[in-house]
Amino acid sequence: EAQVTQNPRYLITVTGKKLTVTCSQNMNHEYMSWYRQDPGLGLRQIYYSMNVEATDKGDVPEGYKVSRKEKRNFPLILESPSPNQTSLYFCASSFWGGQTEAFFGQGTRLTVV
Amino acid sequence: DQQVKQNSPSLSVQEGRISILNCDYTNSMFDYFLWYKKYPAEGPTFLISISSIKDKNEDGRFTVFLNKSAKHLSLHIVPSQPGDSAVYFCAASGAFSGNQFYFGTGTSLTVIP
Repeated sequence: EAQVTQNPRYLITVTGKKLTVTCSQNMNHEYMSWYRQDPGLGLRQIYYSMNVEATDKGDVPEGYKVSRKEKRNFPLILESPSPNQTSLYFCASSFWGGQTEAFFGQGTRLTVV
Repeated sequence: DQQVKQNSPSLSVQEGRISILNCDYTNSMFDYFLWYKKYPAEGPTFLISISSIKDKNEDGRFTVFLNKSAKHLSLHIVPSQPGDSAVYFCAASGAFSGNQFYFGTGTSLTVIP
């Protein structure tokens, strides 16, 4: 089954404790991206990647890191999480970027206390 | 600044009637538009898209209309069904934005049986 898998689904952590949210896709997609969803703000892009070892900032990259060492994986790293990073996060993938539909993971609900 | 706007946070429609969801954008350089549907506790799923060279695209009960001069697109669902109750996001991209998508804030549709 074609899918984008994120882990964990739910995470509560404390300020400053490094964490990683994993994302994996099995569709051999070139393009992967991370979004956060906040009330009244919709989905905002954090980072995206066109291919292995190629990443670019989206609209709200501050406080986040990503890496793309393999085509199928695109982890999101929060080196020092803060309460304003409490949000619902989605990973997405597509064949390529701007003019193709994206497939989304089920989301990761992150709470930073 | 929000480049893609959905000014109606919510909409209620009777089953069998037409649902019309609206989306406005500010940048005339956007040339590809998509609609996604999102159920609670799930990631968004692709619904329908339209390129700027068209003014209408139809897929079953779903039709998207694009008015480039007004920088406005709409999603029509006819007839509406209770299973259509979800949050709908519009998204836009363009060659100028590279591979970045811009999402609206979403409209929560409730179809009343």
